[in-house]
Amino acid sequence: DVKVTQSSRYLVKRTGEKVFLECVQDMDHENMFWYRQDPGLGLRLIYFSYDVKMKEKGDIPEGYSVSREKKERFSLILESASTNQTSMYLCASSSLDEQYFGPGTRLTVT
Amino acid sequence: QQQVKQSPQSLIVQKGGIPIINCAYENTAFDYFPWYQQFPGKGPALLIAIRPDVSEKKEGRFTISFNKSAKQFSLHIMDSQPGDSATYFCAASKGDDKIIFGKGTRLHILP
Repeated sequence: DVKVTQSSRYLVKRTGEKVFLECVQDMDHENMFWYRQDPGLGLRLIYFSYDVKMKEKGDIPEGYSVSREKKERFSLILESASTNQTSMYLCASSSLDEQYFGPGTRLTVT
Repeated sequence: QQQVKQSPQSLIVQKGGIPIINCAYENTAFDYFPWYQQFPGKGPALLIAIRPDVSEKKEGRFTISFNKSAKQFSLHIMDSQPGDSATYFCAASKGDDKIIFGKGTRLHILP
């Protein structure tokens, strides 16, 4: 079974903190993605990566950065967390068409 | 042109009924149309997918109907059960490009 794991299920951070969300996949997939999910807005793509050390901006990259030093690991970084970044964050990986999602991290910024 | 429009936003159906979720797209280059199912507390998971060379695909109680000329596709759930209550996302992509998701439909099946 493909497994995508995310470092935390729930996270509470203060405004201005630097936040790291980690994602690891065990299927040797080339492609990895970070989304945020908000009620009524669906899944919005933040960043994606097609290879190690490569990154591409998605639809809403502002306020975020990413790091992919190893094929299996894709990190999302909130440089200075703000309350409007309170959301569910989903990581996914894919090799062909199908994307496999992790369970998500619910981040609250106070 | 990259959008996928999904409706309705929410849907309540009696057990045994046939919920139908509709999606529309504009980019005729899309060649892969998946549906994802998400239960509370879980990430989305692929449910069923179709390519534009066929008009219908069935997997168990789930059917995708695809209308290429209208640029629309829909998900039908036959003999719906309370366990089908979830959020459903339609999506579209072309080649190896990123997947474009609809905004989701929250489906509730009444027992």
